Amino acid sequence: NAGVTQTPKFQVLKTGQSMTLQCAQDMNHNSMYWYRQDPGMGLRLIYYSASEGTTDKGEVPNGYNVSRLNKREFSLRLESAAPSQTSVYFCASTTSWDQPQHFGDGTRLSIL
Amino acid sequence: GQQLNQSPQSMFIQEGEDVSMNCTSSSIFNTWLWYKQDPGEGPVLLIALYKAGELTSNGRLTAQFGITRKDSFLNISASIPSDVGIYFCAGHEGGADGLTFGKGTHLIIQP
Repeated sequence: NAGVTQTPKFQVLKTGQSMTLQCAQDMNHNSMYWYRQDPGMGLRLIYYSASEGTTDKGEVPNGYNVSRLNKREFSLRLESAAPSQTSVYFCASTTSWDQPQHFGDGTRLSIL
Repeated sequence: GQQLNQSPQSMFIQEGEDVSMNCTSSSIFNTWLWYKQDPGEGPVLLIALYKAGELTSNGRLTAQFGITRKDSFLNISASIPSDVGIYFCAGHEGGADGLTFGKGTHLIIQP
């Protein structure tokens, strides 16, 4: 049982390039989330999808877009990468908003 | 957004010692969660708390949901080397949006 799978695990981009981070869960969860983790900042919510077909902004959405492709998959897109978006990105999912979230192992993204 | 203050930022302890860390919030949470993160991995759930005053154990770990619903603590008894990592508290106000995370407590066990 894979849980939450994120691809790629590592990526280096140049400023201005675009990139899509993929996330898939096999737990039949309804809600999915994207966070970024920066040193000393904890995890901050970028976007979330409470259910298939819906997406909403979190705390730090600027510079990102998301797509809930189906119940299993939730992708995060950087249209024009900036150095400030260098971070570790985590995807999470849960069966409902009042239940604990389960996390993937992250994508480490560096933007030069 | 909501503010979660987690302390201490780091702890240097000897193997076998007990550990205590806590989180306080500027507002009321309906759920408190404690996660552990090992290097290169995502956070893993340790304990979930759903009611004010609730005290829950998971092996050597014990966590409590504060009566005011604005705080929570995590205790680890008789620490062992595999306890090393970053511990995060997280709170949920209720609603479909995500968790609010503390900034983490780095636990380091000295030889």
